[in-house]
Amino acid sequence: KQEVTQIPAALSVPEGENLVLNCSFTDSAIYNLQWFRQDPGKGLTSLLLIQSSQREQTSGRLNASLDKSSGRSTLYIAASQPGDSATYLCAVNGGANSKLTFGKGITLSVRP
Amino acid sequence: EAQVTQNPRYLITVTGKKLTVTCSQNMNHEYMSWYRQDPGLGLRQIYYSMNVEVTDKGDVPEGYKVSRKEKRNFPLILESPSPNQTSLYFCASSLDYGNTEAFFGQGTRLTVV
Repeated sequence: KQEVTQIPAALSVPEGENLVLNCSFTDSAIYNLQWFRQDPGKGLTSLLLIQSSQREQTSGRLNASLDKSSGRSTLYIAASQPGDSATYLCAVNGGANSKLTFGKGITLSVRP
Repeated sequence: EAQVTQNPRYLITVTGKKLTVTCSQNMNHEYMSWYRQDPGLGLRQIYYSMNVEVTDKGDVPEGYKVSRKEKRNFPLILESPSPNQTSLYFCASSLDYGNTEAFFGQGTRLTVV
């Protein structure tokens, strides 16, 4: 059974800092991995999708990497801003029924 | 605008009173699914549908029903809601089964008293 872990559960950083959010998963047989952002009381916004054959994806200040063999992904946020404060979730698509298995998320607070 | 729309956004109901949460997508996606999000448990899949008239159970299907009569709609039905179904519900869709990006609705916060 696939398990996805995100540690730490919460993170507080000063504005401008570059930061890395980690995600690990137990079963490397995945179709893809997706990073989401969730604001309080809101839905999930897709940030980046990495296919199993890819090593990384970039969008603006965000860069996500995938090391399938070691069961790890990282989300790199450059020059963090207070508007980046949110919960970041990673989810792996294991292929079977296309179910996404989610980590519990990292709640990020960027202090002005 | 491409989106997944859920209604209602907030709902308070009483135990045993049947309710339906609607989900509609305008992206012509084949695959749709429902998740619930609970503190400490994260997001878990309730039901999914690979196409019209094709639905199947996810990890936590007890107490829920779904139907997929049209490609764009995937309602979640609680025939007899109970307090343990108090949760934040999300509908999601993707182009097809497998390697495509999932899009989520804004969520429905359900409270059963």
